[in-house]
Amino acid sequence: LAKTTQPISMDSYEGQEVNITCSHNNIATNDYITWYQQFPSQGPRFIIQGYKTKVTNEVASLFIPADRKSSTLSLPRVSLSDTAVYYCLVGDGFTGNQFYFGTGTSLTVIP
Amino acid sequence: DVKVTQSSRYLVKRTGEKVFLECVQDMDHENMFWYRQDPGLGLRLIYFSYDVKMKEKGDIPEGYSVSREKKERFSLILESASTNQTSMYLCASSFLPLDRPGNTIYFGEGSWLTVV
Repeated sequence: LAKTTQPISMDSYEGQEVNITCSHNNIATNDYITWYQQFPSQGPRFIIQGYKTKVTNEVASLFIPADRKSSTLSLPRVSLSDTAVYYCLVGDGFTGNQFYFGTGTSLTVIP
Repeated sequence: DVKVTQSSRYLVKRTGEKVFLECVQDMDHENMFWYRQDPGLGLRLIYFSYDVKMKEKGDIPEGYSVSREKKERFSLILESASTNQTSMYLCASSFLPLDRPGNTIYFGEGSWLTVV
C-alpha cells in the first residue's frame, strides 16, 4: 500500500527552480521524509531527508509544513543533468521499516 | 564509499526455474532490502531484513523468499520463476537508525531478470 502521492511527471526549462510536492497524509510520528533521485539503469541515490520545517544541503531544499502531511523538494536552477525520476518516501527512521518508494515523479529538463 | 553489489546484472531464466539473486554490502549495515521496479509502478518493496536470519514482508512478497545467513549478504529467491516476475530487482542496505544525520539507504546497480 503506497504511503505517498506525487505527480507522475513534470517539465522544466534549464535554469528554473523546480518544486515537486509529495502528499503523505498518513505519516506516523516516527516517520522521516526522504527524497531520492534515480537515473535510467541505476539505483536511486539519496538527495535529502527531513523531519519537520526546512532542510537545505548543497543539492536541494526540503520544506515540510507543521502538519507534516506533505513535503516539497526544491531544486534550484535545474540543468539538463537533473532529468531523472524523483522519489519521495516516508518511513520509520528508527527501524527502517515500511520504506515504500511509490511511483516517483519523472522530471524532464528542457534546454 | 559504501558499496552494494548485486551478483548478476542481466539474467534470462525459463519459467519454473529456481532463481537466486545475490546481494552483498561492505559497510556492516543492519538493514537490507529487496525491491522490484516496473514501468509505471515505481519501486515496490518485496522483503527487508533488519538483522541476520530476520526478515519482514514488504508490499509484494508473494512468489519470493529471502535468506540472510550473514550480515553482509541478502539473497532473493524465486522458487519457481514466472513471466510476471520479469523486472529489474534492486538491492539496498542501510545503517540503523535511519533518522541519524547521514544515514541513508544505499542501492546496488540493479539486476535485470527476464523470465521466458
